[in-house]
Amino acid sequence: DVVMTQSPLSLPVTPGQPASISCRSSQSLVHSDGNTYLNWFHQGPGQSPRRLIYMVSNRDSGVPDRFSASGSGTDFSLKISRVEAEDVGVYYCMQHTHWPHTFGPGTKLEIK
Amino acid sequence: EVHLVQFGGGLVQPGGSLRLSCAASGFNFNMYWMNWVRQAPGKGLEWVANIHPDGTETIYVDSVKGRFTVSRDNAKKSVDLQMNSLSAEDTGIYYCARVYREVDISDWGQGALVTVSS
Repeated sequence: DVVMTQSPLSLPVTPGQPASISCRSSQSLVHSDGNTYLNWFHQGPGQSPRRLIYMVSNRDSGVPDRFSASGSGTDFSLKISRVEAEDVGVYYCMQHTHWPHTFGPGTKLEIK
Repeated sequence: EVHLVQFGGGLVQPGGSLRLSCAASGFNFNMYWMNWVRQAPGKGLEWVANIHPDGTETIYVDSVKGRFTVSRDNAKKSVDLQMNSLSAEDTGIYYCARVYREVDISDWGQGALVTVSS
C-alpha cells in the first residue's frame, strides 16, 4: 500500500498568518492516465471530512481562495495564505491513484 | 442539493454483524460510484470500499475483505454496508461518500458510529 506521511502533525497558527502542510507519498502518484490524484481534506471538530483540493491543485466548489496546493510525483503541499478561526481541525492528504486509496496521518491545525 | 443520510450503527458484540445504510438524494444516483470510509476513535481515515454505479463491481481494502459487503439499490437510491465477523478493530465512525478523483464531486454522509465491544 502507498504510505502517506505529513508534516508537521501539529500546527499552531496565529489568525491572519500563513500556514503550510507537507505531504509525501511512498511511491509516485502519477496515474497511468498521466494525471496525479492527490486530494486534501479538512475535518473540523465533530464534522465529516470536506475535500478542499483534488488533482493536486484544483479547489473544490466553495473552497476559499486562501487555500492553495501544489506538488508533483511524491511531494505535495497545502498552503493557507491567511488562517481564519474556522480553519481549525485536521487536514489530511489522500492519494486517489492507487488501490487501496490511503490517507496521511493528519495535521492538526489549532489557533494560537 | 446533494444529501447522503446514513442509518444504522450501534453497539455489537465481537463476532457479530451490523448493516449500515445510506440514502442519497439530489443527484442521479445510478450514475455514480459510491464509497465507504471509516475512522477509528481519535484516529485517521481509512478508505474501505467502492461500488460501481450498477452494483456489479466492488472493491475492498484488505482489512475488511471477505467480511464486509457493499451493495446498492438504485431504485431506492441507497447503498448499504453489511459488516460480518466484527472485531474491536472495526470500531469507528463509518462514512458513506461520493468522491470522484477527477472532478469537483465530494459528498459525505453524517457518519454512523459502530462500536464492537462485549
